[in-house]
Amino acid sequence: GEDVEQSLFLSVREGDSSVINCTYTDSSSTYLYWYKQEPGAGLQLLTYIFSNMDMKQDQRLTVLLNKKDKHLSLRIADTQTGDSAIYFCAERYSSASKIIFGPGTRLSIRP
Amino acid sequence: AAGVIQSPRHLIKEKRETATLKCYPIPRHDTVYWYQQGPGQDPQFLISFYEKMQSDKGSIPDRFSAQQFSDYHSELNMSSLELGDSALYFCASSITGTESYEQYFGPGTRLTVT
Repeated sequence: GEDVEQSLFLSVREGDSSVINCTYTDSSSTYLYWYKQEPGAGLQLLTYIFSNMDMKQDQRLTVLLNKKDKHLSLRIADTQTGDSAIYFCAERYSSASKIIFGPGTRLSIRP
Repeated sequence: AAGVIQSPRHLIKEKRETATLKCYPIPRHDTVYWYQQGPGQDPQFLISFYEKMQSDKGSIPDRFSAQQFSDYHSELNMSSLELGDSALYFCASSITGTESYEQYFGPGTRLTVT
């Protein structure tokens, strides 16, 4: 079935690391994505990982994939106020073109 | 770098009216996708086109139709609009053959039905 789950809210202190978690149900997902959406704005592709990878790092972003548990996480190091947004975990099957989004995690930064 | 262009950015319509949303993909991208994002919701896939042919279909109402033209731009036609159609409509594009099949999203068209 098609189901992506995320916790809906996360609050972190400025300068700390943020970890946003996601679980998905379809083991045939080949591509897994993290999108960022700021208020009233469009969807920005932050990073993606192939299902045959365990980790991907890109500057302050680290993506970890546990394929056995179907668990994906996004770590944002040194979280800044500009990181306040909704973060969507998404999956894409190898045989289909659509992207399935999770409900999104609203990240808020406190001073 | 060129991005996905959507027009109009904002649209206000009354119930039972029709609306047409346009999408211009990134140059050389051959696949276009449409998503609907209701207030406080995650984006839901509506329909996609590859080389002007429908390639996948999601939860698109029968009142909606879409097509991709020879210049690869796409239009989403919405008829008999309902209040529940108020949403942000995203278009995304991608190019086949890239290793990740990344989809690049446009800024969206915000449709308000009154």
